[in-house]
Amino acid sequence: AQTVTQSQPEMSVQEAETVTLSCTYDTSESDYYLFWYKQPPSRQMILVIRQEAYKQQNATENRFSVNFQKAAKSFSLKISDSQLGDAAMYFCAYRSPNTGNQFYFGTGTSLTVIP
Amino acid sequence: DGGITQSPKYLFRKEGQNVTLSCEQNLNHDAMYWYRQDPGQGLRLIYYSQIVNDFQKGDIAEGYSVSREKKESFPLTVTSAQKNPTAFYLCASSIGSSAGEAFFGQGTRLTVV
Repeated sequence: AQTVTQSQPEMSVQEAETVTLSCTYDTSESDYYLFWYKQPPSRQMILVIRQEAYKQQNATENRFSVNFQKAAKSFSLKISDSQLGDAAMYFCAYRSPNTGNQFYFGTGTSLTVIP
Repeated sequence: DGGITQSPKYLFRKEGQNVTLSCEQNLNHDAMYWYRQDPGQGLRLIYYSQIVNDFQKGDIAEGYSVSREKKESFPLTVTSAQKNPTAFYLCASSIGSSAGEAFFGQGTRLTVV
């Protein structure tokens, strides 16, 4: 099984500031996909951003961007101009065709936004 | 609107009883998944199915069973053999390709009373 590690159980950020959430993964594959999901207090899982391993360019979605370092097997999420609505659990996930297309999730990072 | 629906949102079960959680999707997705979420443990895979009439065990399948008789439906039965069934259960679906993201239902909170 693939291992996805989120080493920061909890993080906090001041409103309007920038925060980076870390994610590392263990794989010997070259073809895979990475995702960040947000789980607010409603517990509905929402896709934040995705990254294809074959793309060198880092994905960006409005205030959310990733720093994808393939050689280091690192996939961090940067949230700019943090808003109160960004407060949630964030999960990093990995998926590849060589592992039956399963999703492997990290244990999550709880983000608090301080007004 | 396309989506994935789990029901019920809250479920109470007496010890020794089996209970079935419903998951339906109208996204025409081939793959469907069941996860269990406990505090501090992220999402753990119970079962997944890539196509109709086929499914595989995940990391914590003991005490659970599933069926996939229709593409749209992937019900999960929590049996009396599951030692600690109280948890939050999430169902997800995806296209078969690894390029696709998972779409999640709103979850079912199961409590054993």
